[in-house]
Amino acid sequence: DTAVSQTPKYLVTQMGNDKSIKCEQNLGHDTMYWYKQDSKKFLKIMFSYNNKELIINETVPNRFSPKSPDKAHLNLHINSLELGDSAVYFCASSQLRGSYNEQFFGPGTRLTVL
Amino acid sequence: KQEVTQIPAALSVPEGENLVLNCSFTDSAIYNLQWFRQDPGKGLTSLLLIQSSQREQTSGRLNASLDKSSGRSTLYIAASQPGDSATYLCAGAAQGGSEKLVFGKGTKLTVNP
Repeated sequence: DTAVSQTPKYLVTQMGNDKSIKCEQNLGHDTMYWYKQDSKKFLKIMFSYNNKELIINETVPNRFSPKSPDKAHLNLHINSLELGDSAVYFCASSQLRGSYNEQFFGPGTRLTVL
Repeated sequence: KQEVTQIPAALSVPEGENLVLNCSFTDSAIYNLQWFRQDPGKGLTSLLLIQSSQREQTSGRLNASLDKSSGRSTLYIAASQPGDSATYLCAGAAQGGSEKLVFGKGTKLTVNP
């Protein structure tokens, strides 16, 4: 009965490779997010999709491309991986209703670029 | 640009103590505020959400308050237990951009048995 799930949990890869992280939510939410938690544990938003439409795109290199095939899924594809991309990536979802926007997070994907 | 600060960065208390974690933000146009806990190597667990029209929320031994005029939120934990040991994060959303949460760096809480 996992609410927000991510795969894989761990990802170790070489610099220059292309990789994808998948996220699925079964909460029926209409908004999904990607956050990045760096080595200092600081969490920062990267992207947000509402009903499959991109609504937030923070200053993220265009090597990062989110894709939302449907409301329940938001995948993150990263091209030409760099050492600085090493971090924990969290997916989250919420249902926007006025000021109610409680976000629920997945378990995270720890990406290590060698 | 909204910035969120959490003080202290780390806190160690004996079991049973009541404690307060602090969160302050630079832009008082905060729309809603959410408190999370993060256990080592795990994701974030939502604890409490204070919406725009609210001043506080309670869940069990947890009580969170929001004072927009001073730009502060506090998380009160009553009768702390070793299982409360975790990093506590507060995150605020600005009006007009309520989808986007801006996080503090967290307070690492250790409750000693």
